[in-house]
Amino acid sequence: EEQLVESGGGLVQPGGSLRLSCTASGFAFSNYNMNWVRLAPGKGLEWISYINSHSSSIYYADSVKGRFTISRDNAKNSLSLQMNTLRAEDTSLYYCVRNSGRDAFDIWGHGTMVTVSS
Amino acid sequence: QSALTQPASVSGSPGQSITISCTGTSRDVGSYNLVSWYQHHPGEVPKLIIFEVTKRPSGVSDRFSASKSGNTASLTIFGLQAEDEADYYCCSFAGSFAYWIFGGGTKLTVL
Repeated sequence: EEQLVESGGGLVQPGGSLRLSCTASGFAFSNYNMNWVRLAPGKGLEWISYINSHSSSIYYADSVKGRFTISRDNAKNSLSLQMNTLRAEDTSLYYCVRNSGRDAFDIWGHGTMVTVSS
Repeated sequence: QSALTQPASVSGSPGQSITISCTGTSRDVGSYNLVSWYQHHPGEVPKLIIFEVTKRPSGVSDRFSASKSGNTASLTIFGLQAEDEADYYCCSFAGSFAYWIFGGGTKLTVL
């Protein structure tokens, strides 16, 4: 079964940092482009970052650019998101998501919750 | 990077059909045939139901149909069933302008 499992969420103070991880299984992780998408309480989905299969192309939404860093380790089938200078508005459920190759998001993890609050 | 515009809510009775619109701009929906739709039951994982404007992934019911005209994409659900009650999100590729933009989401209620 193709699966993505996130970890690393938690409660952090404004201005703090957190590192999210995602482990893939059941498919050839190194062949796929990957993303992070978040869902804030009471709001809609927001795409925040993309990394291609070889880490040669990386994109960010303006809302996180300069604060978040996406990376991957194909040898470990893992995707990461380093989040710095966190703000209250970053409070969300963070999903690790696979690109289908057709610019759609076909496999989603269950998400890891990040709460930014003092 | 404003979200694509979707109605906040729609409703219909079992057996009826409903349509959810998704309005973007010439920088996103209007420029690329890369609109996708997702079904999200709260507490569960979002599910891809449409990609490349009109295509259904394997296993998705043919009661789901989608189209695009200009800057607006649409999702139609035929023969509504209770299990269709969920949040629906559209998403469009937007190139280097914003990469991927989601709609604000539409809550579908099956009466």
